[in-house]
Amino acid sequence: DQQVKQNSPSLSVQEGRISILNCDYTNSMFDYFLWYKKYPAEGPTFLISISSIKDKNEDGRFTVFLNKSAKHLSLHIVPSQPGDSAVYFCAASVWAGAQKLVFGQGTRLTINP
Amino acid sequence: DSGVTQTPKHLITATGQRVTLRCSPRSGDLSVYWYQQSLDQGLQFLIQYYNGEERAKGNILERFSAQQFPDLHSELNLSSLELGDSALYFCASSYDTNTEAFFGQGTRLTVV
Repeated sequence: DQQVKQNSPSLSVQEGRISILNCDYTNSMFDYFLWYKKYPAEGPTFLISISSIKDKNEDGRFTVFLNKSAKHLSLHIVPSQPGDSAVYFCAASVWAGAQKLVFGQGTRLTINP
Repeated sequence: DSGVTQTPKHLITATGQRVTLRCSPRSGDLSVYWYQQSLDQGLQFLIQYYNGEERAKGNILERFSAQQFPDLHSELNLSSLELGDSALYFCASSYDTNTEAFFGQGTRLTVV
């Protein structure tokens, strides 16, 4: 039972355009969501997070949107840069004194010059 | 560099053997997490420690155990290794349990 799903295994975007990565979840108890970026041979790098009391969080070129009714979140990267090429993981957790992150399968983003 | 240090980076061992993976969290972080990333399973939460105490458990096999020491470093012990245990094992740390976790570079375990 996959509680966090990233249905697009890969995405290709032209440099300078907007990249939109999507994530769906099934567990309505999740109240904290994160995006991580991963380069080959490295650990996941934290990008941005959002709690369930918000519907948007912005940090520079990265914005995360949360639609609780649809159980959907998305990561927008504007403008996309070649260094953004990586695998992006969506993760979710239930805040209950612990942080057991449940990860999606990842989306490989390729930024084309 | 996330500040989380994992050793060794690579480990090759035979089935039935036992290995220990080590993690040093970021300075000041009290919480340590272990994750397993295998080809077909993605990143799976194994276990979390907070200030020396086990806080949460995920899909961790009975053959696996972990602990967090007084200096806050953590070790993951894997015993009676099977071919299916081959994976990347990541350690992550956070200041407490409601802030984002920072990951180490991982230990690639290959069981032959």
